[in-house]
Amino acid sequence: EAQVTQNPRYLITVTGKKLTVTCSQNMNHEYMSWYRQDPGLGLRQIYYSMNVEVTDKGDVPEGYKVSRKEKRNFPLILESPSPNQTSLYFCASSLLRQGNEQFFGPGTRLTVL
Amino acid sequence: QQQVKQSPQSLIVQKGGISIINCAYENTAFDYFPWYQQFPGKGPALLIAIRPDVSEKKEGRFTISFNKSAKQFSLHIMDSQPGDSATYFCAGKAAGNKLTFGGGTRVLVKP
Repeated sequence: EAQVTQNPRYLITVTGKKLTVTCSQNMNHEYMSWYRQDPGLGLRQIYYSMNVEVTDKGDVPEGYKVSRKEKRNFPLILESPSPNQTSLYFCASSLLRQGNEQFFGPGTRLTVL
Repeated sequence: QQQVKQSPQSLIVQKGGISIINCAYENTAFDYFPWYQQFPGKGPALLIAIRPDVSEKKEGRFTISFNKSAKQFSLHIMDSQPGDSATYFCAGKAAGNKLTFGGGTRVLVKP
C-alpha cells in the first residue's frame, strides 16, 4: 500500500530533551516536507527536501533540523524542544512534476512540557 | 503573514444544504490551488484542485470556483452529507512544490 508513515504518533517530552520524529514513504517520491498544524494557522511548512541530500528551510524552521540521507526517509529532529513546539506535525511527499498531489502521513502529536 | 486567508473558521450546515468556503491569496506566483480534506486523527488528503487558467472545476458534489482577477477561490459542497464533516484547507502552490495553506474551516453537517 502506498503510504507515508510517521513515528511516533504521540509523544510527550520535557523541555530540552532531544527527539526525532521519523518519516518514511514507499512511493519513490523526490519531494518530502514537514509541516506543523496549529489551530487557526493551518499547516505551515518547516523544512522540505527536493531530493537526497537536498534540504531547505520552509516558513517556520527555527528549532528544527532535518536530514535526507535516503530517498524514502526524512526525519525531523528537535535538538532542544521548547513548549512552543507543542503541535501536530505532518510529513508529506510527492513527485516533483507540476501540480502533483502531496500525500500526508497520519501525524505526530507532540507535547513539550 | 498569512498569504492565504480562509473563511469562515467553522461552518454548520444541515444535511442536503450547501457548504461554501472562501479563500483569498496574495501570491500571484501560485500556479495550482488544491483543497485538502482532513478527518479527525488523520492527515490531510487531496479533495479537488484547480489551475488559475480555469474558472470552475466540478467533481461530484464538490466544485471549485476561481476568480483570478480578484485573487479569490471557493469550495462549494452541494447536498452536504454527515460524512462530509471534516476540516477543509485551501492552499496555493508556488514553484518547487511549496504549499501555502489557509487557516482551515471546520465543517459540521447535521443530520
